[in-house]
Amino acid sequence: GENVEQHPSTLSVQEGDSAVIKCTYSDSASNYFPWYKQELGKRPQLIIDIRSNVGEKKDQRIAVTLNKTAKHFSLHITETQPEDSAVYFCAASPPYSKGGFKTIFGAGTRLFVKA
Amino acid sequence: DGGITQSPKYLFRKEGQNVTLSCEQNLNHDAMYWYRQDPGQGLRLIYYSQIVNDFQKGDIAEGYSVSREKKESFPLTVTSAQKNPTAFYLCASSIVGTGSIGQPQHFGDGTRLSIL
Repeated sequence: GENVEQHPSTLSVQEGDSAVIKCTYSDSASNYFPWYKQELGKRPQLIIDIRSNVGEKKDQRIAVTLNKTAKHFSLHITETQPEDSAVYFCAASPPYSKGGFKTIFGAGTRLFVKA
Repeated sequence: DGGITQSPKYLFRKEGQNVTLSCEQNLNHDAMYWYRQDPGQGLRLIYYSQIVNDFQKGDIAEGYSVSREKKESFPLTVTSAQKNPTAFYLCASSIVGTGSIGQPQHFGDGTRLSIL
């Protein structure tokens, strides 16, 4: 079946440094790529998303890049802060006409930001 | 205040027992989903529903059942056929976009199910 691979599974950075999380998807029909942040004991929340007609999107300290040819997308967090510590999930969705309700999630990256 | 409410927060199941997890949303979303979250495995889709009175199996539907009698409600029953039910269960909802591109999902706070 289709899958999304996410690396690394754990990432530890010093406060103020950058963090990069990478994902690779297998379904070439995927055209929507959201990223969710899940703090300990809380619900996943959308932090940024990108659609296949865009190569890069930025929102303050967070940016996402997409390489459709390589089927690869990445999350970049700059100037990390302790409150960025959480588990981050990438995901990929095909169009609704091709199973778009079946979003595939990566296994998650646990980010630790050391003060 | 719009959102998704899951209950209970913690649930314990005895051998041979069916249990039902509640999920209610007041976001007026057409689509609703159930995911299972195990440590180190991300979120796996159990069932989803695009519209009232319709639902489809996800990747791990065996041992689970759902209903969608109202737009606001999408309860999940974990049956005795599910031999390894201990997990964190998340309900989500989304709009169904007019185009062909997916939409972000809004999640509830989850229900943690354990076996007694």
